[in-house]
Amino acid sequence: EPEVTQTPSHQVTQMGQEVILRCVPISNHLYFYWYRQILGQKVEFLVSFYNNEISEKSEIFDDQFSVERPDGSNFTLKIRSTKLEDSAMYFCASQQMGVRAFFGQGTRLTVV
Amino acid sequence: AQTVTQSQPEMSVQEAETVTLSCTYDTSESDYYLFWYKQPPSRQMILVIRQEAYKQQNATENRFSVNFQKAAKSFSLKISDSQLGDAAMYFCAYRSGNTGNQFYFGTGTSLTVIP
Repeated sequence: EPEVTQTPSHQVTQMGQEVILRCVPISNHLYFYWYRQILGQKVEFLVSFYNNEISEKSEIFDDQFSVERPDGSNFTLKIRSTKLEDSAMYFCASQQMGVRAFFGQGTRLTVV
Repeated sequence: AQTVTQSQPEMSVQEAETVTLSCTYDTSESDYYLFWYKQPPSRQMILVIRQEAYKQQNATENRFSVNFQKAAKSFSLKISDSQLGDAAMYFCAYRSGNTGNQFYFGTGTSLTVIP
């Protein structure tokens, strides 16, 4: 089965630092997403991306967050100045047309 | 916005027995999809089963089946012949009909399988 790949699996960063989370979606997929899951809480939608632009974003996705697909394969989430409350598991997902979205294995971000 | 509710934070089942996880949702849409995702300790989100709202027949995938009650907006997951590998967090999720729309997740049910 095809896979969405996320790197790194675990990232530790100091508060105030910039962090970039990377995702390699499944090739030929058209829709890309970032979700996050704070420990013990539900998975929350951050942003969706289609046709090289953001198609939808949640209120969590403020000016500290940005996404891009710089080279047509990687899909990145940047947090400009991390806060303690950004500590979470971040999931990337991609989707072709149709129903099913494929999720990556997640990146655990720890802000200290 | 759509909401998904899982009222059972934790459930346990004896190995080889059957367990049912509950999920309700709230929507005014007619075209949507419902999913159960499994999240084992490895944290990867794995699709277990999905249901199209327009289909009356309940979806089944091997030992996993759903009871989809559209009028009641209920979508429960039944796991038959539970195995130790079924132990995980299970999330119910909703997505409206258009491709590219976001998933709405419930808070999850932690399933323990007792040997």
